[in-house]
Amino acid sequence: QVQLVQSGAEVKKPGASVKVSCKASGYTFTSYGISWVRQAPGQGLEWMGWISAYNGNTNYAQKLQGRVTMTTDTSTSTAYMELRSLRSDDTAVYYCASSHKYGSSWSFDYWGQGTLVTVSS
Amino acid sequence: DIQMTQSPSSLSASVGDRVTITCRASQSISSYLNWYQQKPGKAPKLLIYAASSLQSGVPSRFSGSGSGTDFTLTISSLQPEDFATYYCQQRDTFGQGTKLEIK
Repeated sequence: QVQLVQSGAEVKKPGASVKVSCKASGYTFTSYGISWVRQAPGQGLEWMGWISAYNGNTNYAQKLQGRVTMTTDTSTSTAYMELRSLRSDDTAVYYCASSHKYGSSWSFDYWGQGTLVTVSS
Repeated sequence: DIQMTQSPSSLSASVGDRVTITCRASQSISSYLNWYQQKPGKAPKLLIYAASSLQSGVPSRFSGSGSGTDFTLTISSLQPEDFATYYCQQRDTFGQGTKLEIK
């Protein structure tokens, strides 16, 4: 069965960086992209960006451009999301999700369990 | 950018009720609309993709319809496990969510 297993919770100070991992199993990793979605406490879902596990192409949300980097390691079927210059409003649960393309859109078929990132001085 | 607006923001209903949640796009998105269910402390779960296709393993009491700008998610007979928050999504945009609570 498809599983996405994320790394554990993190506590960071403002200005620091965080790197979250997402290890995939149960499918051919390079067949689907990985998107990252975050959810601030009590808030809705925010798409952060996408990376192709096939060729490493990326597409980031405009508001995060310059602060976020998404990478993959196909040898370990793992995706990574690094967010820099952390601020208090980056406090959120961060999810990875497999992105399945259809037509000119996509769905998030499988999700990781989420990683809580807390930014606090 | 395309905006996605869900209504209502919250809804109270009873077990056995038929419930409909609406999602409206600010411009036509054809049938490129997905629905998710999220329970507290859990990751979202895909219910419906491409407006009306039921994801594998999702109970048949869930259905989706619509195209263009107006879409609906219907639960034909609410079960206790259906009380959750529901989100619509197209490409990189999610609706704000609809919280379904027990009456």
